[in-house]
Amino acid sequence: QQQVKQSPQSLIVQKGGISIINCAYENTAFDYFPWYQQFPGKGPALLIAIRPDVSEKKEGRFTISFNKSAKQFSLHIMDSQPGDSATYFCAASGRGSSNTGKLIFGQGTTLQVKP
Amino acid sequence: EAGVAQSPRYKIIEKRQSVAFWCNPISGHATLYWYQQILGQGPKLLIQFQNNGVVDDSQLPKDRFSAERLKGVDSTLKIQPAKLEDSAVYLCASSRDLNSPLHFGNGTRLTVT
Repeated sequence: QQQVKQSPQSLIVQKGGISIINCAYENTAFDYFPWYQQFPGKGPALLIAIRPDVSEKKEGRFTISFNKSAKQFSLHIMDSQPGDSATYFCAASGRGSSNTGKLIFGQGTTLQVKP
Repeated sequence: EAGVAQSPRYKIIEKRQSVAFWCNPISGHATLYWYQQILGQGPKLLIQFQNNGVVDDSQLPKDRFSAERLKGVDSTLKIQPAKLEDSAVYLCASSRDLNSPLHFGNGTRLTVT
């Protein structure tokens, strides 16, 4: 119940295309859903995050779509660029002393954007 | 602001040896985390500190792993003795408080031979 399942494992997109990565969770106590971007040799960096009181959040070319009833959320990267080539992780955590701040990560998606 | 600092960047040891990793969080961040990231997987939480107290260490293999955060700032993570399956990147993260976003360091890549 603590798992976050992420798909696809890898993704190849042409420059200018849309990259879509999906995540699903089981624990209804989760109420914070961030996406992290990780380049080789670097730590994960926060990209964008959402709480379940909204269904969508957009920051520049990055959009999170959230479906509370389906317990799913996704990352959309519009106008994908070669510089977006990285590994993306979805994550989730919940409120309360037993959950707060403790991010549970998905397995990761390796994105390659071809020029 | 300076990011989360970790050292060393790389470490190669033989199994049954001991190793220690050091983390200096972002100034003023009360919460500190150690994560283990095995190649091809997402980070997995090992231990969470709030100031110098442990909030959660349920995922820490306590027979071989130990961590401390003296004075509520820097932290060290130790493995003794190391096993082959401990080969991974050890990431330190910090946040202003329990409800704030996590900021990660670049990690220490450990290879156990």
